[in-house]
Amino acid sequence: ETGVTQSPTHLIKTRGQQVTLRCSSQSGHNTVSWYQQALGQGPQFIFQYYREEENGRGNFPPRFSGLQFPNYSSELNVNALELDDSALYLCASSYLGRDTEAFFGQGTRLTVV
Amino acid sequence: ELKVEQNPLFLSMQEGKNYTIYCNYSTTSDRLYWYRQDPGKSLESLFVLLSNGAVKQEGRLMASLDTKARLSTLHITAAVHDLSATYFCAVDKGYTNAGKSTFGDGTTLTVKP
Repeated sequence: ETGVTQSPTHLIKTRGQQVTLRCSSQSGHNTVSWYQQALGQGPQFIFQYYREEENGRGNFPPRFSGLQFPNYSSELNVNALELDDSALYLCASSYLGRDTEAFFGQGTRLTVV
Repeated sequence: ELKVEQNPLFLSMQEGKNYTIYCNYSTTSDRLYWYRQDPGKSLESLFVLLSNGAVKQEGRLMASLDTKARLSTLHITAAVHDLSATYFCAVDKGYTNAGKSTFGDGTTLTVKP
């Protein structure tokens, strides 16, 4: 167990809808990174949040957005869902400023139909 | 753009045999990670390699990093069935990009009796 929890674990949405995924970071960590993992592929970096601000973004459109809260938990929001958004969404918690590893949550499996 | 390539992508081994998984990356970095993923599960951190020549070992797995060659290896000694999983390497573009990892496509390892 890493101490990083994500909710919900599974979700089914219809194309065009909006979804919010949540991540509770490990105690003592100040950074949350979000990744999308399509079936059979490696995770792809979506964005990172540090001190409640976006701190870097991968090659994802603006309909992917996020928030980080004062307790360092985080949300990933996806608007106008597309079928290709179906994937496992992973959050990783770490402490920026130390040479420590990131710890991943168990993931949210999103299916868009 | 940072690219990470793993090979092989699929590996079938006999129990008791040794093998090496390779991870090449395209730009200078001194932060490399190895993860394990079981089917339908999240990522488990195996090793964090932060300097040229770093070598870490845990049980039957040993990882090394050669930043000059932009190469990391994951060596498996005397494989057992429990090691069957998908292994990912991931690279950060330096300390200031910690946690914004680029992943390889993974190596799916099957260990047969």
